[in-house]
Formats: sequence, structure tokens, C-alpha cells
Amino acid sequence: DTEVTQTPKHLVMGMTNKKSLKCEQHMGHRAMYWYKQKAKKPPELMFVYSYEKLSINESVPSRFSPECPNSSLLNLHLHALQPEDSALYLCASSRSAGGQGGNEQFFGPGTRLTVL
Amino acid sequence: QQQVKQSPQSLIVQKGGISIINCAYENTAFDYFPWYQQFPGKGPALLIAIRPDVSEKKEGRFTISFNKSAKQFSLHIMDSQPGDSATYFCAARGNTGTASKLTFGTGTRLQVTL
Repeated sequence: DTEVTQTPKHLVMGMTNKKSLKCEQHMGHRAMYWYKQKAKKPPELMFVYSYEKLSINESVPSRFSPECPNSSLLNLHLHALQPEDSALYLCASSRSAGGQGGNEQFFGPGTRLTVL
Repeated sequence: QQQVKQSPQSLIVQKGGISIINCAYENTAFDYFPWYQQFPGKGPALLIAIRPDVSEKKEGRFTISFNKSAKQFSLHIMDSQPGDSATYFCAARGNTGTASKLTFGTGTRLQVTL
């Protein structure tokens, strides 16, 4: 299984809602990533988890809260978002997070988030 | 210094032609250079990648050329097909010690016409 899955595919939420995005991989990868992608722009890194520990937080606002319950799952908890947070949220995984080799990142299909 | 510059922004190629996308970087610590293909509404898919100790890598119709001294690399798509119409991102990986980060180029929208 070489797939990264993400749920839901689409999400519409109000600014006062709390919601969560989910990501799962069964490739035995030990690094998982959250990216945000605006239309016609490249993906922007938000968080990196390595061996279920947060290793990079790219100064993301606290209204985004990541969680890695185990090596196969990655969640992104959303609270009090702003309309400008509307974007495609991508999850990715790789065999490891650092070092040489074997670090190809595989992306999921994304969750299209709209904040009203 | 972390930037990866990508050109052109958009490209129209006739079916059967060669598509060429160029990227340039400044950070000599980058150690891995992947290319991703993204269709509308989908996540990026890894297409092909190269390490800086190799000058060329070919996989099917896709070739990466790498010029370490010029700090440039390019993607060539031979015999371009309408199904290749997508956005292409080059990227470069840097290691922070505990984790590696991909820095993406700005993307090239490729349209292959009949």
C-alpha cells in the first residue's frame, strides 16, 4: 500500500466551529507532514512529525493544532479559523524525516477547506 | 537563500513536442531535488528526483538534467501528451538536523495541445 489517505475530501466550517482533518498512511513511514496550499501556489510546510514527535512548526498560528496519535495517523485540529485559512490542506509522509536517502515525500489528495 | 526559482510560469506545447521547465537554487546545502506533478484538485505526485552527484536521470519520457556548478536543474518531458497537462513543481530538500524540509518552486502550468 503506497497511499496516503485524507478525510474529509471537502470541509466547510464557520469561524466559530471546531473541526479536525485526518491523515493515514500504512507504508511504515516514520515522518508525517502537514502542508497548506493556496490556489496557484506551491505547498507551504506547516508541521513535521518525526517518530510521532513534533520536530518542525513553521510558526503556524495556534488555531491550527496538530496531533500524531501513532505512527500511521496524523490529525490537524482546527478552531476559530479565518476566511483566509481557506485552502487545500495536504498531508505527506516519508520513510524518515532527516538524514540521507529514503526521504521521498508522498502526498495525499488533500482536504479542500472553506472557512465562511 | 532558501528560495527555489522556477520558470516559466506557464508553458504551452504541442502534442509530441518537448516541454522544458527550469529551476535554480542558491543554497548549496540542498541534497535532493524532486519534481512533483499536480492535477487540479489533487495532491502533488512525485514524478522523478535526482541527487547532486548525478548530472542526469531519465525515467521513461521524463528526464532531469542537473548542473551543480550553475546550481540549476531542469525537467524535460519528451513526446509531451495532453495527459501531461498539469502543474509541475520543482523542489529542493535541506536538512535541519532533526528533519528535512522541501522548498518548492513557484510552479509551472503546462498545457499540451493537440
